[in-house]
This record gives sequence, structure tokens and C-alpha cells, in this order.
Amino acid sequence: GDQVEQSPSALSLHEGTGSALRCNFTTTMRAVQWFQQNSRGSLINLFYLASGTKENGRLKSTFNSKESYSTLHIRDAQLEDSGTYFCAAEAVGASSSFSKLVFGQGTSLSVVP
Amino acid sequence: GPKVLQIPSHQIIDMGQMVTLNCDPVSNHLYFYWYKQILGQQMEFLVNFYNGKVMEKSKLFKDQFSVERPDGSYFTLKIQPTALEDSAVYFCASSLRGGRSTLYFGAGTRLSVL
Repeated sequence: GDQVEQSPSALSLHEGTGSALRCNFTTTMRAVQWFQQNSRGSLINLFYLASGTKENGRLKSTFNSKESYSTLHIRDAQLEDSGTYFCAAEAVGASSSFSKLVFGQGTSLSVVP
Repeated sequence: GPKVLQIPSHQIIDMGQMVTLNCDPVSNHLYFYWYKQILGQQMEFLVNFYNGKVMEKSKLFKDQFSVERPDGSYFTLKIQPTALEDSAVYFCASSLRGGRSTLYFGAGTRLSVL
């Protein structure tokens, strides 16, 4: 079954507002990455977290391995933030020789004036 | 940030033909990956590759698929022969280390099999 459950599937924000995206994991994960997929389809790296919280500009992400979730907070949303956001998690117990990411289903974010 | 380049951005071929997708990974990276994204769906792992060998592949990585990186040049995904269900966007990724390492993705190659 799906190991990564991402919500919401779609989100509309007015410019200047904020919200949070969430990924729940059904198995223990040791790290998570967040990506923005823009209108051209490119995946832009936002965060890599093995634990704790990171912040970059208007974005902040938290990863709690024990409680099996990660969040991405967007504040003061801008039009260029529109796109699809994916979390991708790396499973504990996977060989340390390589990474195998399991992606969430994505959140389609529309920022409107 | 680090860039992974994929060539071409779009490829249209007839069912049954062979296709090779090319990836130029980040220059000092040692681990390479292919992921597949069918339109509107999530990304799914296909294969990873290190030191000239496939380390792990998923059930999506059919017998018609193969990967290689001859002489440290492009990391390639070859599909021979192609099938209609191979139509998707294929993303290449690379990382410096194996586990616990950030993956950097290319912009993808959209493959349309007619």
C-alpha cells in the first residue's frame, strides 16, 4: 500500500496568505525531501530533512520521524508559488548504499490575486 | 543549485521502436536514478545505478528497460521495444552519496508512444 499520504490534494490561496501541507507516513522514514514542480515540469528542491525544522524564506518544513509526518508551511504566498508540491520520503531499513524515495501524491497549489 | 540535464525534453516515437533517454547528472555525483511519472500521477521509482551496476529496480522496470553509463558519459535509459503504456515523463536524478543524501532531479523527458 501507499507509504506516503499527502494532503490536501489541491489548495487555493490568496496572495499574502499561508497554509500548510502535510505528509503522513505509514512506515518509519529516515529522511524527507520536499519539491516544487513548476509549470514546465521541473522539480525544484525545497528541503532535505533528516529531523527537525528548516526554514528558507517564506517556507518552513518540519520532519518528525517518531510521529511519522512532515509538514511544509508556506507564508505570504506569491503568484510564483503556484505549482505542485511533492514530499518524498526515504525509508528506514533501506540499504545505506542508496536512496530510494517514495513520493506523495502531490498538492496542487494555486495562488490567486 | 546543482543541475541535472535531460535530453531530449520531448520524444515522440511509434510503438515497437527503441528509444534512449539521456541524462547528464551532476558532475561529482556517483548515484543515479530514474523515476517515472504518468500524467497527473505521483512519481514512481524505476531503478538506481551505482558503479556501473543496477542496485535496485522496481516492478515497473520491465525487461524491455535497460540502463547504463558508458565511460562516465550520459546515464541512459533505453526502452526496446516501446509499448503504449510507456508513455510518461521520465525523470533522472543523481546524488553524491547513497543513503541519506539529497537527490537532484532533471526537468524530465516526456515520452509519447503512438
